[in-house]
Amino acid sequence: DQQVKQNSPSLSVQEGRISILNCDYTNSMFDYFLWYKKYPAEGPTFLISISSIKDKNEDGRFTVFLNKSAKHLSLHIVPSQPGDSAVYFCAAIQGAQKLVFGQGTRLTINP
Amino acid sequence: SQTIHQWPATLVQPVGSPLSLECTVEGTSNPNLYWYRQAAGRGLQLLFYSVGIGQISSEVPQNLSASRPQDRQFILSSKKLLLSDSGFYLCAWSAGSGNTIYFGEGSWLTVV
Repeated sequence: DQQVKQNSPSLSVQEGRISILNCDYTNSMFDYFLWYKKYPAEGPTFLISISSIKDKNEDGRFTVFLNKSAKHLSLHIVPSQPGDSAVYFCAAIQGAQKLVFGQGTRLTINP
Repeated sequence: SQTIHQWPATLVQPVGSPLSLECTVEGTSNPNLYWYRQAAGRGLQLLFYSVGIGQISSEVPQNLSASRPQDRQFILSSKKLLLSDSGFYLCAWSAGSGNTIYFGEGSWLTVV
């Protein structure tokens, strides 16, 4: 039972344009959502998070949007840079500190 | 500041051999500790988590086990490795009241 889904395994975006990474979830009890970025052979690094009581959180080039009615969140990166090429995981948490991860989306920024 | 380290970074082991991956966290006390695995082409799978010394919860039945002999030490073990155990293993921690989980550098395990 995949409670957090990233339906796009890969995404290619031109440098300078906006990258939009999407994530859907099924458990309405999730109360906190996070995005992680992962380079090959490295551990994921935390990027940005959002509480379920908010619908938007912004940090520099990164903005996360949450649509609770649709059980959907998205990560916007603007402008996209070559160093943003990585695998991005969305994750959700409910209470007891256990993160549930999506399958990941590989983002490639083309020069 | 808090840091997390896991080792070894890479490991090649024959089928049937034992496994021990170690993880330590510095700069915090009583962290929640986790072991994740990322298999090729798949997402991150939670294997074990621990909220305190000697308290281990297993998420997926398998031939792996975890132990927490000290507050900031988490060990992933196997008595006999299988080919399917190959993957990228990640140790992680979070504060008791925090919502964010922080990951170690990861360990590549290849079972041959």
